[in-house]
Amino acid sequence: DAGITQSPRYKITETGRQVTLMCHQTWSHSYMFWYRQDLGHGLRLIYYSAAADITDKGEVPDGYVVSRSKTENFPLTLESATRSQTSVYFCASIPGQGTGELFFGEGSRLTVL
Amino acid sequence: GESVGLHLPTLSVQEGDNSIINCAYSNSASDYFIWYKQESGKGPQFIIDIRSNMDKRQGQRVTVLLNKTVKHLSLQIAATQPGDSAVYFCAETISGGYNKLIFGAGTRLAVHP
Repeated sequence: DAGITQSPRYKITETGRQVTLMCHQTWSHSYMFWYRQDLGHGLRLIYYSAAADITDKGEVPDGYVVSRSKTENFPLTLESATRSQTSVYFCASIPGQGTGELFFGEGSRLTVL
Repeated sequence: GESVGLHLPTLSVQEGDNSIINCAYSNSASDYFIWYKQESGKGPQFIIDIRSNMDKRQGQRVTVLLNKTVKHLSLQIAATQPGDSAVYFCAETISGGYNKLIFGAGTRLAVHP
């Protein structure tokens, strides 16, 4: 029962480098989300996807790119990492529009030096 | 781990006591509210939700109260246990707007033996 898994769990990179955070879910949930969590800001939505090949911006999309070629995968790419993107990133999914019960991954802590 | 929130407001309670965690929400149009629990190093986990046509909803050892007049939400945990120690977030949205969930900054609950 893997559920939703994120990788890597920890990543240190340098300013300007490209970084991809992976998210994989085994439930075939339609909706997937990427959030970042920072002190004092709670969780903020970066991007979401309603289905394969359908993605849309959230509250803080600048500097990020997503794709969803397969239902189970939703990678998040930082094309040129900046220090302000140091954060904890959470992937989440829900099966449909029934409830707000998002299922979250364990998180990926990214540090940009 | 992926814990965030070293400087969050903290509620300290004795094991066995009841806990009340409060949340003020921002949008008077919000009609769906959710509480999440986040243990240290883990992703948030759904606890309970409530829609605006209700004032109260009960789960196992938890009760959520909604006061729409003052835009206030509370989570009551009965007979608090050490395993309840975590950060608790409220979230609000307009029904169906799972891509528009607004999360609060969170409250840390510390349970002492």
